Amino acid sequence: GEDVEQSLFLSVREGDSSVINCTYTDSSSTYLYWYKQEPGAGLQLLTYIFSNMDMKQDQRLTVLLNKKDKHLSLRIADTQTGDSAIYFCAESIGGATNKLIFGTGTLLAVQP
Amino acid sequence: GAVVSQHPSRVICKSGTSVKIECRSLDFQATTMFWYRQFPKQSLMLMATSNEGSKATYEQGVEKDKFLINHASLTLSTLTVTSAHPEDSSFYICSARVLAGSSYEQYFGPGTRLTVT
Repeated sequence: GEDVEQSLFLSVREGDSSVINCTYTDSSSTYLYWYKQEPGAGLQLLTYIFSNMDMKQDQRLTVLLNKKDKHLSLRIADTQTGDSAIYFCAESIGGATNKLIFGTGTLLAVQP
Repeated sequence: GAVVSQHPSRVICKSGTSVKIECRSLDFQATTMFWYRQFPKQSLMLMATSNEGSKATYEQGVEKDKFLINHASLTLSTLTVTSAHPEDSSFYICSARVLAGSSYEQYFGPGTRLTVT
């Protein structure tokens, strides 16, 4: 079955870079996503990467994909206190249905 | 664009009653919506895929008679938790699928906190 794993917690200082890692098991995933969830709120789509890409950069966000190792990472440059949240990676499975399987979530704590 | 709303944002009900949660796509049409459930400090678990004009597809282990889904229009899907019990207390989140170029994106609602007493 599909399984998406993340480390549970990451603490960084304001201004440093954060790197959140994710591993997945389904090699047929077409798209991989990063979502942000603030306390008591829904999910905000941050970025996504197509499975035939290695890297995608969008302002402070850089996504790296190692398809061979089934490893995905999200780097946040110049991390701010407003970046404190839970970050979920998700893989898209099921072809046209586009079902998402979510990772366990990583709580990012940014220290001032 | 791509805003999804949910109503209510929070509901408390008595055990044995039914609760309806609405999910609306505000500025786009969505033929496919998804319903997720999230327990405290846990990830999202996909419950079902809601397709406009047809029956929902439920994930394994999700009781279709317990969680009724209706997707009667291209902008509205509803989830009804029937005969709710305290173990149904959870955070329910919907999403709507949007075709963006050659890929699909899912936009999520703000969630509904259900507490069954």
